[in-house]
Amino acid sequence: GESVGLHLPTLSVQEGDNSIINCAYSNSASDYFIWYKQESGKGPQFIIDIRSNMDKRQGQRVTVLLNKTVKHLSLQIAATQPGDSAVYFCAENLGGYNKLIFGAGTRLAVHP
Amino acid sequence: NAGVMQNPRHLVRRRGQEARLRCSPMKGHSHVYWYRQLPEEGLKFMVYLQKENIIDESGMPKERFSAEFPKEGPSILRIQQVVRGDSAAYFCASSPTRGLDSGNTIYFGEGSWLTVV
Repeated sequence: GESVGLHLPTLSVQEGDNSIINCAYSNSASDYFIWYKQESGKGPQFIIDIRSNMDKRQGQRVTVLLNKTVKHLSLQIAATQPGDSAVYFCAENLGGYNKLIFGAGTRLAVHP
Repeated sequence: NAGVMQNPRHLVRRRGQEARLRCSPMKGHSHVYWYRQLPEEGLKFMVYLQKENIIDESGMPKERFSAEFPKEGPSILRIQQVVRGDSAAYFCASSPTRGLDSGNTIYFGEGSWLTVV
């Protein structure tokens, strides 16, 4: 079964606000995590990743935080834009296996 | 720099027919993965292949489904005798080497949407 789950299925934010999407994982052996963005009718698009030996990684307008103590992953999007509206998935990879386990996804809706 | 290419993007099959989905990995990538996505759900791992080898097929249904990645040509996901429950989006992904890490990660194609009528 799935070991990655998301707290909120839908997140609505105002344009310009910051967004935080959360994810819980249950496998302590996972050593690599990825956030993907999926727009309707398209494939998952890589956003940012993080290894288990890090607790924070920043990209352009996005930050991923990893808390291994509580097995929690979050994606922060700064100054959310309408183009950020999509479903966001976190995925974990068990060490030594090239197999990503996905959560169910969070839908981000950005309102003007 | 072309990404992962999948075709067809949309496919309609009648129950009992066969569906063949093709995937060309990114240039320089020799590891291919197939995932299935039902509406409003996450992606489920099906199979992981390297050239001419199936590395992990733990997510593949035992019957009717098969996958290959020949020495030459694209990877093929084949579904025989399709049923309505096979209707889903099938995503192919690729990575350059074994082991995942920043700089060596998995990129997805745009998917093939199978509808069984």
